[in-house]
Amino acid sequence: DQQVKQNSPSLSVQEGRISILNCDYTNSMFDYFLWYKKYPAEGPTFLISISSIKDKNEDGRFTVFLNKSAKHLSLHIVPSQPGDSAVYFCAASLMNRDDKIIFGKGTRLHILP
Amino acid sequence: GAVVSQHPSRVICKSGTSVKIECRSLDFQATTMFWYRQFPKQSLMLMATSNEGSKATYEQGVEKDKFLINHASLTLSTLTVTSAHPEDSSFYICSASSDVNYGYTFGSGTRLTVV
Repeated sequence: DQQVKQNSPSLSVQEGRISILNCDYTNSMFDYFLWYKKYPAEGPTFLISISSIKDKNEDGRFTVFLNKSAKHLSLHIVPSQPGDSAVYFCAASLMNRDDKIIFGKGTRLHILP
Repeated sequence: GAVVSQHPSRVICKSGTSVKIECRSLDFQATTMFWYRQFPKQSLMLMATSNEGSKATYEQGVEKDKFLINHASLTLSTLTVTSAHPEDSSFYICSASSDVNYGYTFGSGTRLTVV
């Protein structure tokens, strides 16, 4: 059973607009959430994270929102740039018990010129 | 669908011994499997890419004789850490894909502790 779900395999967004990537999870015990970005032939690199005690974390153009009641988080990228074209993975973990990271299947973001 | 099982989830071994980690695709044929190692600050470093039936392609700086990767079938890849040292202690994670243009499925990772 998938504990972390990214239901959109791909997303296309015009350059300069906002990109919104969504992620749902099933385990209410998850207390730490991460977003990774992956370019072809490279390993995923950490982008931004959020603890379950917060509902928003912002870092430059990237903002992650967490809705615990809905078990949903989203990554907002604004404004979108060509270099943002990549695969984005949502991940969750139980930091206080086990640092195992559970990944979603990823969403491929295409930034259109 | 698209489930990847990784075992063991945790292993503790003595320095100098070897440890094998398995990565299995349960409901699809994984033509390509990737092995990663997690470093501090949560980045995952790609160690190697393996295609079924052929030798793995290792990333620069990864010792192929120390991290043996075998991808003998379309559903199984193994990573063997040989002559483990405490500095090999880390979180290792695999991912598998039937077509890298359509996505990857990650295993749940293996926490290796070398004592």
